[in-house]
Amino acid sequence: EAQVTQNPRYLITVTGKKLTVTCSQNMNHEYMSWYRQDPGLGLRQIYYSMNVEVTDKGDVPEGYKVSRKEKRNFPLILESPSPNQTSLYFCASSLFGGPSYEQYFGPGTRLTVT
Amino acid sequence: GQQVMQIPQYQHVQEGEDFTTYCNSSTTLSNIQWYKQRPGGHPVFLIQLVKSGEVKKQKRLTFQFGEAKKNSSLHITATQTTDVGTYFCAGVGVTGGGNKLTFGTGTQLKVEL
Repeated sequence: EAQVTQNPRYLITVTGKKLTVTCSQNMNHEYMSWYRQDPGLGLRQIYYSMNVEVTDKGDVPEGYKVSRKEKRNFPLILESPSPNQTSLYFCASSLFGGPSYEQYFGPGTRLTVT
Repeated sequence: GQQVMQIPQYQHVQEGEDFTTYCNSSTTLSNIQWYKQRPGGHPVFLIQLVKSGEVKKQKRLTFQFGEAKKNSSLHITATQTTDVGTYFCAGVGVTGGGNKLTFGTGTQLKVEL
């Protein structure tokens, strides 16, 4: 089944404890991105990747890192999480090397930082 | 940077009533996409509009892209309880390399029997 998977789905952690949220797609998609969703603010793009080894900042990249060593995987890294990073996170991918195509979203990761 | 606003933020309707959400961008868009997110779910692609003034229909849903390619709307005729969810527009700006997809703030629709 074609899909985008994220792990973990739920995470409660403490301030400053490094964490990684994994994202994987099995559709051979080139474009991948991370979003955070907060009430009243919609979905805001954190980072995106046009292809392997090509990543760039979105609108809210502060406090996050990403890597794209393989086409299928695009992990989101929080080196030192803070409470303002408590949010619902979505990974997304699309077939071609750009955002102007249908985005396929993962199921989401709800992160709480205390 | 590019901003995309949607109004209203919330809408409660009685089943059978019509519903419209409006999307306005601060910059000209090369295309606009619409997504639906059910409660507790993830955004799911509905449609993409590319041409100025374009109108597309999907059953009871009608999507429009403005002549200036800076605004769009989604109209649902005779809402049903299955229409409940949050509707997002998302656009790619014509400037800035065209690599970023900016989502609107979303409109949450509740349908009451």
